[in-house]
Amino acid sequence: AQSVSQHNHHVILSEAASLELGCNYSYGGTVNLFWYVQYPGQHLQLLLKYFSGDPLVKGIKGFEAEFIKSKFSFNLRKPSVQWSDTAEYFCAVNPGGSYIPTFGRGTSLIVHP
Amino acid sequence: SAVISQKPSRDICQRGTSLTIQCQVDSQVTMMFWYRQQPGQSLTLIATANQGSEATYESGFVIDKFPISRPNLTFSTLTVSNMSPEDSSIYLCSATGGVNTEAFFGQGTRLTVV
Repeated sequence: AQSVSQHNHHVILSEAASLELGCNYSYGGTVNLFWYVQYPGQHLQLLLKYFSGDPLVKGIKGFEAEFIKSKFSFNLRKPSVQWSDTAEYFCAVNPGGSYIPTFGRGTSLIVHP
Repeated sequence: SAVISQKPSRDICQRGTSLTIQCQVDSQVTMMFWYRQQPGQSLTLIATANQGSEATYESGFVIDKFPISRPNLTFSTLTVSNMSPEDSSIYLCSATGGVNTEAFFGQGTRLTVV
């Protein structure tokens, strides 16, 4: 069965620190990749997505992610986090041709001012 | 994009009762889904809501416990039946426009069963 692994369940950083959240998946075929974010008290929303093309994708609020096919990875990065980045982050994978994403467990990020 | 309105946003219910959660999308979407999200855990897909026909349930979820309706392209309901404290969770409605599109989510329903 397809699975999505997020290696960091809880991350605590100070403002201006760099962030990298790991995401690996087990599906071997074509995939669509997503990072979603859930700010406190708000609904899940899309942070960025990869369907094809340039494996380095940029999303909202200065986030980016790199798709490395050989490593089955789609890690999320931000060079300098802000207090407002405190949220829950979910990696998700759709096998090519599927409507239904499989989600990772999520990473809780707390940024101290 | 799509905006999803979900209600109620939270409820506290007595065990043995049922709660129906409503999900309204502001545009026509291809697929609608219901997820359960428990603290510190991933989103677990309950079922795909099919327009005008029975929902497609994932392993571990059954129609008698989680009946789902989708009478048209933009509206769906999930009922949590004969509730027990183990049903306490956040229930999320989601929708997509099709293949190669992202998913959109409602704000969730936080259910507590006492």
